[in-house]
Amino acid sequence: AQSVTQLGSHVSVSEGALVLLRCNYSSSVPPYLFWYVQYPNQGLQLLLKYTTGATLVKGINGFEAEFKKSETSFHLTKPSAHMSDAAEYFCAVLYNQGGKLIFGQGTELSVKP
Amino acid sequence: GAVVSQHPSRVICKSGTSVKIECRSLDFQATTMFWYRQFPKKSLMLMATSNEGSKATYEQGVEKDKFLINHASLTLSTLTVTSAHPEDSSFYICSANRPGQGIYEQYFGPGTRLTVT
Repeated sequence: AQSVTQLGSHVSVSEGALVLLRCNYSSSVPPYLFWYVQYPNQGLQLLLKYTTGATLVKGINGFEAEFKKSETSFHLTKPSAHMSDAAEYFCAVLYNQGGKLIFGQGTELSVKP
Repeated sequence: GAVVSQHPSRVICKSGTSVKIECRSLDFQATTMFWYRQFPKKSLMLMATSNEGSKATYEQGVEKDKFLINHASLTLSTLTVTSAHPEDSSFYICSANRPGQGIYEQYFGPGTRLTVT
């Protein structure tokens, strides 16, 4: 079965430190890949997506992610964490256009002052 | 950017009553909408796929008679929780597929917090 795994349900970093949120998917066929952010009691906001082309994708708020086919990974990074980055982050994959998104378990990011 | 709205944002109802949640795509037509349920500190669980003009496709384990979905137009899908019970209390999120963008990207609504007392 197709699945998405986010390593670490909770990640804590200091303000200004590197943010690394891990995402691996299971598939022999490269999917479309997404990262979403969710603030408390709100819906999901798209951070970035990979469809085709350049494997390093830049998103909003200084986030970026790199698609590594050999590792079936799509890790999310940000060079310098800001307090406003504290939120829940979800990795998701889409295996065919118009189909269902499959979500990872989510990673809660905390940022310490 | 594409906007999806949900109404109400928050609702409290008594056990045994029914409650309807609306999901609207405000600036595009969505042939497909999705309904998710999210428990605290948990990921999104897809409940059903709502297709305009046809019956919804429910995920395994989701009771279609309890969670009624109607996709009457290209901009509106509704989820009705019938005979609600406290265990139905949750955060319900809808999303809509926007076609014609090269990839069908899902746009999410802000969610509806349902509390059943």
